[in-house]
Amino acid sequence: AQSVTQPDIHITVSEGASLELRCNYSYGATPYLFWYVQSPGQGLQLLLKYFSGDTLVQGIKGFEAEFKRSQSSFNLRKPSVHWSDAAEYFCAVGGQTSGNTPLVFGKGTRLSVIA
Amino acid sequence: NAGVTQTPKFQVLKTGQSMTLQCAQDMNHEYMSWYRQDPGMGLRLIHYSVGAGITDQGEVPNGYNVSRSTTEDFPLRLLSAAPSQTSVYFCASRPGLAKVGELFFGEGSRLTVL
Repeated sequence: AQSVTQPDIHITVSEGASLELRCNYSYGATPYLFWYVQSPGQGLQLLLKYFSGDTLVQGIKGFEAEFKRSQSSFNLRKPSVHWSDAAEYFCAVGGQTSGNTPLVFGKGTRLSVIA
Repeated sequence: NAGVTQTPKFQVLKTGQSMTLQCAQDMNHEYMSWYRQDPGMGLRLIHYSVGAGITDQGEVPNGYNVSRSTTEDFPLRLLSAAPSQTSVYFCASRPGLAKVGELFFGEGSRLTVL
C-alpha cells in the first residue's frame, strides 16, 4: 500500500532563510508526487507535481522539489522564505497505473516564519 | 470561476442528528472525493467517485454515505452524527486520465458534533 511520511510536524525559519521540507514515500511502482499548501482557513492549493522526466520540478511561489528515486524522497525547497509562506504543507503520492487512483497524503508540516 | 463549491462552511450538530454536506464542481471533472482533516492526522479519504453512478470507499468510510447522480454533485451524508465526526471536510475533484492526481479542493466545511 502506498504511504507518505513527512518527518517534521512543525518547522520555524527566519524570513529570508532557506527552507527544506522532507517527504518520503512508499509506492510499488513509479509514483506521481505532489506538494500542496494550505493557508489558515483555506483549502489546499497545488504547489508543484512530478509525473516523469526532469527530477527537479519548479512550482508556484518560488518553490521547487527534487525527486530522488533511490531515497524514495520528494523534498520541497525554497531559497528565501517570505512571511507569507507560513502555512501547512502536504506531500501526496498517487499511482501511474490508473488515472483514478486516490491520492494518499502525508500528515503535513506546519511552517512558521519569524522576523 | 467557481471551481469546487462546498456548503455549508460551518455547521454544529447534536449527536444523532443527520445532515448532508454539499459539494458541486463546474469543471466537468469525472473524479470527485471527500477527505476529512484532523489535527496531526493529515487528510484521510472518506469516499470517492470516478463518475456518475460509481462510488467507492476510502480509508475512513464508516458513518458516511455518498451518491453520485450527476457529474457535478457529490454530497456526503452523515446519517447519525457522532462527536468523532467533528472535523473539517474537504471535497476535491479532478479530470479523469488527462491530469492524473492533480486535485482541486473546495474551501472546506467545518463540522462540530456536540
